[in-house]
This record gives sequence, C-alpha cells and structure tokens, in this order.
Amino acid sequence: KNEVEQSPQNLTAQEGEFITINCSYSVGISALHWLQQHPGGGIVSLFMLSSGKKKHGRLIATINIQEKHSSLHITASHPRDSAVYICATLSGGYQKVTFGTGTKLQVIP
Amino acid sequence: NAGVTQTPKFQVLKTGQSMTLQCAQDMNHNSMYWYRQDPGMGLRLIYYSASEGTTDKGEVPNGYNVSRLNKREFSLRLESAAPSQTSVYFCASSGGYEQYFGPGTRLTVT
Repeated sequence: KNEVEQSPQNLTAQEGEFITINCSYSVGISALHWLQQHPGGGIVSLFMLSSGKKKHGRLIATINIQEKHSSLHITASHPRDSAVYICATLSGGYQKVTFGTGTKLQVIP
Repeated sequence: NAGVTQTPKFQVLKTGQSMTLQCAQDMNHNSMYWYRQDPGMGLRLIYYSASEGTTDKGEVPNGYNVSRLNKREFSLRLESAAPSQTSVYFCASSGGYEQYFGPGTRLTVT
C-alpha cells in the first residue's frame, strides 16, 4: 500500500519568504499531483508531474523518482498563498490516487 | 465550461435520513470519483467510475451507493445517514492522470 507523507504539517512564513513543502511516497507511481485548497474552498490542481521540474509563476514543483520524493516551492510568498497544499500520487490500473494529509501554509504580511 | 459541479453545497440530515449528492462534469471525462475529506485525514476514495456504466468500490464504500447515470453525471447516495458520515464530499473527474474537483458538499448528520 502506498503511503504518502507530507512535511511540514503546518508552516507559517513572512511575506516574501521562500517556501518548501515536501512529499514522500513509498511505492512506484505513474505521476504526482500537487493541489491547493483555500479555507472553505474547493480543490485546485497546481501541477501534475512524472519527472523533472515544472514551473508556473511563483510556483515550482520537482520530483525525484529514484528517491520517491517531490517538493513544492513558492518564491516571494504572499498572503494569498495561504492555503492547504496537498500531494497526491497516482498508480495502479484505475489511476489509484493516494492523498497526503496536506500542509497548512499561512503567510503573514 | 463549468467544469465539475456539485449540489447541494450544504446539507444537514438527521440520523437515518437518506439523500443523494449530485455531480456533473462537462469536460467529456471518462473517469469520475467520489471522495470524503475529514479533519486530519487525506481525501479518501468512496467510489469511482472508470467509464459510463461501470462503478467500483474505493477505500471507504460502506454506507454509500453510487450511480453513473451517463457520461456526465455521477451521484452518491446515503441510504440511512449516520453521524460518522459527517464530512465534506468532493466529486472529481479525470480524462487522464489529472483530476478536476468540484466545490464540495458539506454534510452534517445529527
């Protein structure tokens, strides 16, 4: 069974700081998904990646398949980045998805 | 495109009552999913449908039934609600790996 662990569970940062959220998993996967959930809000897809690195605006996601590890970086953090960030791995014949418990980020002005 | 829509947004039920959560997607996706999200736990799969006419149990199917009415719609039914089913329910759809989520339904069972 795939276990997905995220760290840290909670993170408070000052506006402008560089932020890193980590995700580790235990079995081989097809792809990894980073999601964002604002308080009381829906879930939005940030990145889907299976190798290397992707960048969108101030967000960067990397994955190391050999080490079974992915990171989500936020550069020049802003209060609007405050949200829960969820890592999810995809594997198995029916796109079995395993979710991490999320990292709650608060960015203080 | 509306993406994935869910109704209702909020619902309060008494123990033993039944209800159906509706989900629809307009992205022509084959796969659709129902998840529940509880504090301190990751999203957990209740049921999924890989294509129209097929459904399969996920990690936590007990107390739920589903119907894939057509390619667009996937409903989740609680036949006899229990307080343990108090949760936020998300529907999602996928045409490949990436999943697209609905806005969620916050259900409270008293």
